[in-house]
Amino acid sequence: GENVEQHPSTLSVQEGDSAVIKCTYSDSASNYFPWYKQELGKRPQLIIDIRSNVGEKKDQRIAVTLNKTAKHFSLHITETQPEDSAVYFCAASRDNAGNMLTFGGGTRLMVKP
Amino acid sequence: EPEVTQTPSHQVTQMGQEVILRCVPISNHLYFYWYRQILGQKVEFLVSFYNNEISEKSEIFDDQFSVERPDGSNFTLKIRSTKLEDSAMYFCASTLVTGGFSPLHFGNGTRLTVT
Repeated sequence: GENVEQHPSTLSVQEGDSAVIKCTYSDSASNYFPWYKQELGKRPQLIIDIRSNVGEKKDQRIAVTLNKTAKHFSLHITETQPEDSAVYFCAASRDNAGNMLTFGGGTRLMVKP
Repeated sequence: EPEVTQTPSHQVTQMGQEVILRCVPISNHLYFYWYRQILGQKVEFLVSFYNNEISEKSEIFDDQFSVERPDGSNFTLKIRSTKLEDSAMYFCASTLVTGGFSPLHFGNGTRLTVT
């Protein structure tokens, strides 16, 4: 089955700096890669997703890049703000797998004011 | 914006007892899911459900687990005989279609504590 590795497990940045979180996946058939933000005690919330037919997607301060050949994808947050502090999870799935998302281990992002 | 709702928000039960976790998916959605998250760990897929039957299930979803859509609005997860290791946050989700065309949105979760 699919295996998703995520790095780093913790990331501390100064407000205004950029943050990058990286994930690798094992199943070459995976073609959908969402990113979720989870605040303490709350549900994971989808912040951005990318499908394998594109290499990059951007939404304001958040961007995701995908390298299908290398089987890795990354989340980039620019101009970080204290409210970006949370745990971020990457995930991967195949379209024909009934939304069976395989999650990475999570990255705790701390943005220091 | 419509949301997936889950009840209760917190359930405490004794080992060996049966529990039923309840979810109300978004009304026009057709696919339903349960995921769980042990404290401090990643989210793990349990089961997906479509057209009144299980579509996919993980290794975690053994014979102690079952799902049901008892009526047109509820989707339930039953654990027959709870174990300590079942303690986790259980998230329900629903989508209109499967796959990346319809992103997965989670409910607020039910925290299950087995003592």
